[in-house]
Amino acid sequence: QKEVEQDPGPLSVPEGAIVSLNCTYSNSAFQYFMWYRQYSRKGPELLMYTYSSGNKEDGRFTAQVDKSSKYISLFIRDSQPSDSATYLCAMSLNAGNNRKLIWGLGTSLAVNP
Amino acid sequence: DAGVTQSPTHLIKTRGQQVTLRCSPKSGHDTVSWYQQALGQGPQFIFQYYEEEERQRGNFPDRFSGHQFPNYSSELNVNALWLGDSALYLCASSFKGGGETQYFGPGTRLLVL
Repeated sequence: QKEVEQDPGPLSVPEGAIVSLNCTYSNSAFQYFMWYRQYSRKGPELLMYTYSSGNKEDGRFTAQVDKSSKYISLFIRDSQPSDSATYLCAMSLNAGNNRKLIWGLGTSLAVNP
Repeated sequence: DAGVTQSPTHLIKTRGQQVTLRCSPKSGHDTVSWYQQALGQGPQFIFQYYEEEERQRGNFPDRFSGHQFPNYSSELNVNALWLGDSALYLCASSFKGGGETQYFGPGTRLLVL
């Protein structure tokens, strides 16, 4: 079993839709949870990060962490064609300097005008 | 404020050759992490450099080595290239090893023939 599971999609939605992206994980020691967006042939761009459980909102993006279920989500409201990209979840331990990121495969999202 | 920069952007090599990739971190950052991203996969952690020393290493063979310079820039060296080394190589910078706020460069796309 992989440490982080993410459905690769692809996911196709109409413009204006609410998008829900999810990851599950197996290591209960993960403390930091991130969502990155990666456009084709570009490096990942940090969108959101959350420490421990709870919600975090930034504009049209909301990140949720449910540590009891080992489940994280990213919601995109009023999706735009410019949101079309691959969305990667990543997480790390809180153990001194052991902050290497463990990644999901990424979910490919297409927002159609 | 310059972000993370990487060079070259693209590279073609043949099996058995050696390659050196370069990374300059974001201004104010002192930690550099290297990742390998195969097509359709999430990034895989190679190693992390902080204070000119390798601090953590992923599951990569000794053919992968690196270096960090006093100005915090870094190099990734790969010896005896295999076809399977073809991938996007990503550099990420952060402050004092902070895994939750890593910023990525655009990557170097390596093709091994």
